[in-house]
Amino acid sequence: GNSVTQMEGPVTLSEEAFLTINCTYTATGYPSLFWYVQYPGEGLQLLLKATKADDKGSNKGFEATYRKETTSFHLEKGSVQVSDSAVYFCALTQGAQKLVFGQGTRLTINP
Amino acid sequence: DAMVIQNPRYQVTQFGKPVTLSCSQTLNHNVMYWYQQKSSQAPKLLFHYYDKDFNNEADTPDNFQSRRPNTSFCFLDIRSPGLGDAAMYLCATSRASTGGVDTQYFGPGTRLTVL
Repeated sequence: GNSVTQMEGPVTLSEEAFLTINCTYTATGYPSLFWYVQYPGEGLQLLLKATKADDKGSNKGFEATYRKETTSFHLEKGSVQVSDSAVYFCALTQGAQKLVFGQGTRLTINP
Repeated sequence: DAMVIQNPRYQVTQFGKPVTLSCSQTLNHNVMYWYQQKSSQAPKLLFHYYDKDFNNEADTPDNFQSRRPNTSFCFLDIRSPGLGDAAMYLCATSRASTGGVDTQYFGPGTRLTVL
């Protein structure tokens, strides 16, 4: 079946550091890929998405490129801020109505 | 702004006392989902409605039920909450068509405490 594997957390960085959170997936065909962010005590917010190979999703300085050849959708940001501290979930969906989530990566940014 | 609304944000109930959580949406989406999220875990799908069609996940306990009286509203009923049901409950919506399912949009969640 479909699955998503994320980089183990927690991840702790200093403000203005470069961020990468790795995400790889297993799926047949061409899933849609998503990054969701969850701030403490809140629901999930869609951060970005990509629906086909080589698409790049971007939002709020975050980017991720749909790489079919490596089955990856790594999340990157060039300069993180304290306000980026949250849990990040990589997820996929394919045709059917279900989202398949990775385990989540907790990110803490120190000033 | 179109959105997914959950009420209440925090709910406290007693062991065994039935509780209902509410979700409403102004997105006019035809699919609504309920997820359970426990601390430091990914959300776990309990069930979803595709229009009026109810789809239960195989491992969702019978203690959890849902109602969708119209397009905009969906309820999660926990008939006899146990201590293990304490969690964040997330509602989500999406638009589905013959071409597939679009992005899911989540509400802010209801934090359930069972005493």
